[in-house]
Amino acid sequence: SQTIHQWPATLVQPVGSPLSLECTVEGTSNPNLYWYRQAAGRGLQLLFYSVGIGQISSEVPQNLSASRPQDRQFILSSKKLLLSDSGFYLCAWSGSGNQPQHFGDGTRLSIL
Amino acid sequence: DAKTTQPNSMESNEEEPVHLPCNHSTISGTDYIHWYRQLPSQGPEYVIHGLTSNVNNRMASLAIAEDRKSSTLILHRATLRDAAVYYCIRIYYGGSQGNLIFGKGTKLSVKP
Repeated sequence: SQTIHQWPATLVQPVGSPLSLECTVEGTSNPNLYWYRQAAGRGLQLLFYSVGIGQISSEVPQNLSASRPQDRQFILSSKKLLLSDSGFYLCAWSGSGNQPQHFGDGTRLSIL
Repeated sequence: DAKTTQPNSMESNEEEPVHLPCNHSTISGTDYIHWYRQLPSQGPEYVIHGLTSNVNNRMASLAIAEDRKSSTLILHRATLRDAAVYYCIRIYYGGSQGNLIFGKGTKLSVKP
């Protein structure tokens, strides 16, 4: 069966520090991969999606970036975090565009 | 723009059926309807999806109006564990990206 792993579960970072969140999927090949962010009390916002290795599409301009170095690995990064980057970050995968998405447990990021 | 409209909140009693409505009056013929739910501090969980016909699975039933401008998620017997925010989402059938646009959803409360 397919599983998705995200880590860490919680993270506290100072303003201006770098960020790296990792997501891996097991049990499937060539998945679509997604990064979402959920600010406190708000809905989910799609940040990035990828349909293949090295193929990244950005939905929202910001100081975050994403990379997909391997088929089932998706990384969210920042060189310098802002206070507004606080939130709940979720990784998801799907088999194709119209198939259900399956989410990880998320990373709760707090910026101090 | 989520392009779907849902009530902000609903209440139900335990072991009673729950009907969660969703309006998607501008839906196109190639849009699927997906439902997800999110428990506090967790990632969204896929519930069900459909295109034109009513759909059933172990979690719920999805009733889609004949004109496809609305749909209803049916939980046949609500349990306390069903208390969550439920999201109704349109997704383009032909797209490879599968970008889910989450609105504010319906917060379902279940009373014992």
